[in-house]
Amino acid sequence: GAGVSQSPSNKVTEKGKDVELRCDPISGHTALYWYRQSLGQGLEFLIYFQGNSAPDKSGLPSDRFSAERTGGSVSTLTIQRTQQEDSAVYLCASSFRQGQYFGPGTRLLVL
Amino acid sequence: QKEVEQNSGPLSVPEGAIASLNCTYSDRGSQSFFWYRQYSGKSPELIMFIYSNGDKEDGRFTAQLNKASQYVSLLIRDSQPSDSATYLCASRANAGGTSYGKLTFGQGTILTVHP
Repeated sequence: GAGVSQSPSNKVTEKGKDVELRCDPISGHTALYWYRQSLGQGLEFLIYFQGNSAPDKSGLPSDRFSAERTGGSVSTLTIQRTQQEDSAVYLCASSFRQGQYFGPGTRLLVL
Repeated sequence: QKEVEQNSGPLSVPEGAIASLNCTYSDRGSQSFFWYRQYSGKSPELIMFIYSNGDKEDGRFTAQLNKASQYVSLLIRDSQPSDSATYLCASRANAGGTSYGKLTFGQGTILTVHP
């Protein structure tokens, strides 16, 4: 079956611009997670959705980061006023029970 | 101290050997543990998870958990060059008795299997 999909696969933006990253989870998966992976920091948690609500937003690094999920399905991660330190691979994962299954990621480069 | 620690390696083993990957965790509230494989430039791929003390086998992979020692390991039998990748260990706290919640990852161990 179809896995987690993310778009765009690559995004280059200028410092100060806003970006939107999209995640389409595996059909039927109720939980959706956003992580990011960078060379210095490894894989770090950002936010988790159960249905359309977010029980855990503890990993969002600043108020420039926000996310929403609609219809218990697609999620959008928005980064406002991007900074160079936001450059990373943003990974979305979804789960039904134990395992979390990752999408291919969005590689974000902020110039 | 990092919550999940792995030896970054690289770990190099000959083809056909057993590769042993180790992970320790500091949060005693962690209940479930996951092993992911990540090829260069790709996203992590779930290999297996374990939440009970002891061994869990799946094909060539065996996960081992010792909660008293706060130790998790992954054994790969009959290692193949295609097993060469970064292996990530992750833990999850038992969030209100559910099977959901964030994963905390180690830095990963680079495994190289040489012919």
